[in-house]
Amino acid sequence: QLVLTQSPSASASLGASVKLTCTLSSGHSNYAIAWHQHQPEKGPRYLMSLNNDGSHNRGDGIPDRFSGSSSGAERYLTISSLQSEDEADYYCQTWGIGIPVFGGGTKLTVL
Amino acid sequence: EVQLVQSGAEVKKPGESLKISCKGSGYIFTNYWIGWVRQMPGKGLEWMGVIYPGDSDTRYSPSFKGQITISADKSISSASLQWSSLKTSDTAMYFCARGGATGPFDFWGQGTMVTVSS
Repeated sequence: QLVLTQSPSASASLGASVKLTCTLSSGHSNYAIAWHQHQPEKGPRYLMSLNNDGSHNRGDGIPDRFSGSSSGAERYLTISSLQSEDEADYYCQTWGIGIPVFGGGTKLTVL
Repeated sequence: EVQLVQSGAEVKKPGESLKISCKGSGYIFTNYWIGWVRQMPGKGLEWMGVIYPGDSDTRYSPSFKGQITISADKSISSASLQWSSLKTSDTAMYFCARGGATGPFDFWGQGTMVTVSS
């Protein structure tokens, strides 16, 4: 069964960097994923697609403070130079079995 | 510019029917999957179903199959999510998004809040 696992919460200081993790379940470690940001009272925003080799393509207008990387079954989202507006929920999503699958989301707090 | 614009908030009673919509623009509507995603209060994103407007191929999450109907009208570049008999547990924010079945959800609608209360 395809499952994406995310830590429920993360925190980092204003101006610092943070690395969020999304882990693909066994047997699916080569799948590409997408990262989405969901700020309160807004629709989610697509940040990037991330391949198993670490190559990634950012969505329209996404600043290069947002970057992705991969290692085995883990997919990472790194946000550098954290700003207050980065405080949001972050979801990973894949489509490798012909249907969308979401991770449970990580709530990022900017201190 | 790709845009997905959803219909407005709804307040309904249990047992009533409802259809909400998502209109796509700025791209060839029939060439991309459209998905529906639920967010219940305080919870994460849940995929409900996806449809390919080009041939109406529709795939439902097992969690929602039989509870909802997803459709698309190519003539007006619009996808819809429909309930025949709402429950209070259907109270949630609903988002449409482009893609999902063969690629990422790469554009999102603004969301439609559905409140079901007696």
